[in-house]
This record gives sequence, C-alpha cells and structure tokens, in this order.
Amino acid sequence: GQNIDQPTEMTATEGAIVQINCTYQTSGFNGLFWYQQHAGEAPTFLSYNVLDGLEEKGRFSSFLSRSKGYSYLLLKELQMKDSASYLCAVRDPKGNAGNMLTFGGGTRLMVKP
Amino acid sequence: GAGVSQSPSNKVTEKGKDVELRCDPISGHTALYWYRQSLGQGLEFLIYFQGNSAPDKSGLPSDRFSAERTGGSVSTLTIQRTQQEDSAVYLCASTLRSGSYEQYFGPGTRLTVT
Repeated sequence: GQNIDQPTEMTATEGAIVQINCTYQTSGFNGLFWYQQHAGEAPTFLSYNVLDGLEEKGRFSSFLSRSKGYSYLLLKELQMKDSASYLCAVRDPKGNAGNMLTFGGGTRLMVKP
Repeated sequence: GAGVSQSPSNKVTEKGKDVELRCDPISGHTALYWYRQSLGQGLEFLIYFQGNSAPDKSGLPSDRFSAERTGGSVSTLTIQRTQQEDSAVYLCASTLRSGSYEQYFGPGTRLTVT
C-alpha cells in the first residue's frame, strides 16, 4: 500500500530555520514533491526530487534519500508568510493513473514573531 | 486567466441532491486530475484523465461519483445522492502531459452537504 508520513504540526520562530520531514513507503516511485498550501488556497509547487541529494531554491531546500524512503524540506530565514501547510507527495507510475500523486496529511507550520 | 479554474468556489447542498463540479484546466494541458481534501486530511486522488479518457477510476469513492471530460479540456465531476461524508474541498490539477512532473492546482470547490 501507499503510506506517507509527516508531522501534523510544527512551530518555529521568525528568522529561524525549520526542517519538515517526510517518510514514505509506496509501491512505486517516480519523484517526490513538496507543495505549500495556505489556508483556503490551492497547493502551489515548491520542489521536486527524483534523484538522491539536496535541491536548493532560494530560502527553500529539499532533500531525498530513496534508499531510506525519506525526504525533508528545509526553510531558512523564516518569514511570517511561511505559515502554511506543507504537503509531501510521491508520484507513482504504477498502473494507469498517469503518474498521480499520493499525498501525506500535510504539516501545518506556524511561524511566530 | 492562465491558471486552472474551478466552479463553483463554494457549494452548499442538501443530502440526497446531485451536484456538478467543473474544472477548466490550463489551455493545452492534456492530463487532468481530481483530488478530494477533507477537513484536516491530506489530498486523496479520485480520477485522472489523459485527453478525454480516464484510464484509472479506482480512486472514486463509490458509484455515486462519476467524471467526464469533453474536447480534451473541461472536466465535470458529478456526485449523485450526496451524503454528508462527501463534504470536502474538491481540487482539480492539470499538467501538460501525464509525464510532466508539475501539477498546477485550481482553487478548489468547497462542498458542504447539509
């Protein structure tokens, strides 16, 4: 079956660094995604990892270890606007679902002054 | 606009009624996905279209749910005889083609069944 785990909630301070972890067990793997979702809004794409290692994009970085079924999203220099839910999702090429995404439950991040 | 659009943005309906939710993907995107997000839950895959055909319908929760896509563009998700457990945000996403990795999401339709 598909299983993607991430913490439900995290709290961090403005200006700090926070790491959001995601572990997965899926029948297939064709990439791992991180999405940001502000309350009441659509998810927006943050990052995509298909090979092991770290991908950096401005204040956000994402890491993947396929052998460990593990990823993290690192947010640096936190800003109040970073308060949102962060969704980890795995793309599964199996079957006819066109590389559909299987999502974790999301991590709600609260940034405090 | 250039993004994925969905209508209505909010829908309140009585239990037992039928509802139709609409998705307009980004122009030229051939792959279209429907997801459901219940309160406090992650996104749940419902159905995928490549062009007008839906190769995989296994994510649909029951036979009360159906979806179609016409002209390789607009898609409609229909829920018949709605139940309270159908209350959720229904999100649509599209990609240029099924092999493309970035899915662009619409703003969703918030469905409340009373």
